[in-house]
Parts: sequence; structure tokens; C-alpha cells
Amino acid sequence: GAVVSQHPSRVICKSGTSVKIECRSLDFQATTMFWYRQFPKQSLMLMATSNEGSKATYEQGVEKDKFLINHASLTLSTLTVTSAHPEDSSFYICSARDPVKETQYFGPGTRLLVL
Amino acid sequence: GENVEQHPSTLSVQEGDSAVIKCTYSDSASNYFPWYKQELGKRPQLIIDIRSNVGEKKDQRIAVTLNKTAKHFSLHITETQPEDSAVYFCAASYQAGTALIFGKGTTLSVSS
Repeated sequence: GAVVSQHPSRVICKSGTSVKIECRSLDFQATTMFWYRQFPKQSLMLMATSNEGSKATYEQGVEKDKFLINHASLTLSTLTVTSAHPEDSSFYICSARDPVKETQYFGPGTRLLVL
Repeated sequence: GENVEQHPSTLSVQEGDSAVIKCTYSDSASNYFPWYKQELGKRPQLIIDIRSNVGEKKDQRIAVTLNKTAKHFSLHITETQPEDSAVYFCAASYQAGTALIFGKGTTLSVSS
């Protein structure tokens, strides 16, 4: 089946630093990827839609200058959390859309802890 | 934009009983309604989905029903087993593969 990977799976960083999370579609080309955030015991909240070769579309309340998204190829999207603060600690999950199967596949998630 | 409400937030059943989780959505343009099962610390796993041109879909012990007029859809799990214990999320989107708006989740506990 289709596989979407994320790296790293876990990251601990100091407050004020930046963290980059990679999302890769391993066996299909994804023109669209999505980034979600999930706080403990809460639902997945859509942060942004990442389109290959164009600017990401951010959901209301998500700061585009804080959560930088780059979708430079058909198999890779990156999310950079800039100047991270403890309140950014969360589970970040990407998903990729297979345009042929019209199905969305989730990555395994990245757990970010900001100290 | 779309808003998805999910009930109940927690559900406890005995092994072998049925479990029903209900969701409502606000945007009549939504056409795709998947259900996900998520175990602690893991990615959501698609367990069943339904598109707006279908009223009901079944896969072994799992079924989903959709009422487009009332804008609600439900997940039915029959003959529950302890391994069904997890958090279940409903979601809605304009079409399969597009951005999903999730409900708040239901924690299902199946006791043996």
C-alpha cells in the first residue's frame, strides 16, 4: 500500500530554536500534502494545505510566518516551526494525496517537545 | 467553513455489544466522509469511508450510514472486541483526498 513517511519521529528542542519536519510520499507523486496538529487527547486540526510549486494555504489562526511550509517536489513537503515555544509542543501529522486513487495517506507523525 | 460535531466523546461497551458513534456536518457541499481509528501515539488509520452518492456501506463488523438531507453520518461496530478499543474520528471533505475536517473524537472502551 501507499506509504508516507515523516522525519524525525520525535524531536526535543530548546525554546527559540527552529525545527524542520519532513513529509515524504514514497510510492506516488503527491501534488498536495496536508499538515495537521494534534494536542494531547484532542482531535487533528488542519494547519495548512501544501501544493507543489506554489504557496501553502493556511487555515485561520495559523501563523504562516511561524509555520513555514515548502513543497518543492512531488514527493516532499517540509514544515518548519520557527522560534519554537513550549506551547508549540504537539503531535504534527502530515498526509499526502494520491491523485490517481483520490485517497489521502497519513504519515506516522512527529512528536515535538519544546523545552 | 465546514464544522463537524461528533458524539459521544466517550463510549464504554461490553465485549460483543454494538457501538454507535454519530457525526453531523455543516457544509452541504461535503461529499466524502471517512472514519479513522487512532491508537495512542500512532497515525490515524482509515477504517471505512462513504461518499455522498451512497447511503450505507458495510465492511464485516463495521458499517457507516449517511443521511445527506439531515447532514449526519454514523459509524456502527457490531460484535465489539477489546481490540476495537481506541479513539475514533469522523471527518468530512469536499472530495476524497482533499483536506479533512475532523470531529473531536470518541474514545471507545470495550471491556471483556
